[in-house]
Amino acid sequence: AQSVSQHNHHVILSEAASLELGCNYSYGGTVNLFWYVQYPGQHLQLLLKYFSGDPLVKGIKGFEAEFIKSKFSFNLRKPSVQWSDTAEYFCAVNPNTGFQKLVFGTGTRLLVSP
Amino acid sequence: DAGVTQSPTHLIKTRGQQVTLRCSPKSGHDTVSWYQQALGQGPQFIFQYYEEEERQRGNFPDRFSGHQFPNYSSELNVNALLLGDSALYLCASSVRTGTYEQYFGPGTRLTVT
Repeated sequence: AQSVSQHNHHVILSEAASLELGCNYSYGGTVNLFWYVQYPGQHLQLLLKYFSGDPLVKGIKGFEAEFIKSKFSFNLRKPSVQWSDTAEYFCAVNPNTGFQKLVFGTGTRLLVSP
Repeated sequence: DAGVTQSPTHLIKTRGQQVTLRCSPKSGHDTVSWYQQALGQGPQFIFQYYEEEERQRGNFPDRFSGHQFPNYSSELNVNALLLGDSALYLCASSVRTGTYEQYFGPGTRLTVT
């Protein structure tokens, strides 16, 4: 079945550690890719997106993601996390069928300890 | 500029009842999508509306229905509520022609007892 997989359900890091969250999808063809973040008590916010062009995309708050088409992956990275990055992170795919449906992964809960 | 708003914030209903949730899109947006987020899961697509018609539907039964009004606001209706319908219901708005960025509201927490 077509799906989006996030391998890490819970991640615990110390401040200044590097972060990489995995995301793989099983859709063929052209896709649009997104990472959303949900801070405690807040609604989902767009972190970054990929539609075409440079496969390395930069988002807000120092986050970046790399699209590797051959691996069907769109991993999220940050060189040095802060306590304020504690949140839940969702990878989402738009299968680009002409509609805007997003298919989400199950999310990764990140806890950054000071 | 107001973002996506949803009402009510919380709702408690009894099994078998019907519920209506409301959403106002971000200013300038003409497309509304609804998602269901169960505890510990990612959001699941229910359906999408633009030009006052349902354009795409996810894998949800006919008990879930919706409506979009001329001002682009939208309602989600769920009939014959089941315990399994307890979830956070998210509304997202976007521009039909554009980069498909969806902006999410805070959600409505529905509890079915």
